[in-house]
Amino acid sequence: AQSVTQPDIHITVSEGASLELRCNYSYGATPYLFWYVQSPGQGLQLLLKYFSGDTLVQGIKGFEAEFKRSQSSFNLRKPSVHWSDAAEYFCAVGSPGGGADGLTFGKGTHLIIQP
Amino acid sequence: EAQVTQNPRYLITVTGKKLTVTCSQNMNHEYMSWYRQDPGLGLRQIYYSMNVEVTDKGDVPEGYKVSRKEKRNFPLILESPSPNQTSLYFCASKQDRDNYGYTFGSGTRLTVV
Repeated sequence: AQSVTQPDIHITVSEGASLELRCNYSYGATPYLFWYVQSPGQGLQLLLKYFSGDTLVQGIKGFEAEFKRSQSSFNLRKPSVHWSDAAEYFCAVGSPGGGADGLTFGKGTHLIIQP
Repeated sequence: EAQVTQNPRYLITVTGKKLTVTCSQNMNHEYMSWYRQDPGLGLRQIYYSMNVEVTDKGDVPEGYKVSRKEKRNFPLILESPSPNQTSLYFCASKQDRDNYGYTFGSGTRLTVV
């Protein structure tokens, strides 16, 4: 069965500093990988996704993520965070070919931005 | 505007009183799904539907029912709610089995007392 681990429950970053949120997955082959963001009181918004090809993926709001097969990781990065980036971030894995599995989510990382 | 609409946004109910949370999408998506979100557990899939009249259990289906009589609607039914179903619920939809661009609704916060 597929699984996702987000090792950091909370991360605090100063505004303007760089950010990296960690995500490790467990899956038998190359999965589909996603990062979602959930702002307070809101639903989930897709930041970016990886299906195949270039392992560095660009997303919305200045985020990027890098797929590293050897490390089973898909870490999210942003060079300079803004106060509006404070939110809950979820990494998710899906099975290629779609179908019944849906998405398996990590437990989330809560990002706090210090002024 | 393309969206998934859930209602209600907030609901407080008593144990055992049947309730329905509605979900509607205007994108003609085939796939729809219900998730619940609990602190420290992330999102877990309750039920999903691959098309009209085709539904199946996700990871945590106990205590829930769904139906898919029309493509756009996918209601979540709690026949006899219990306090352990207090949670934040999300409906999501996507175009087809190979497109994982899920669109999520804004969520329904349910409290069962």
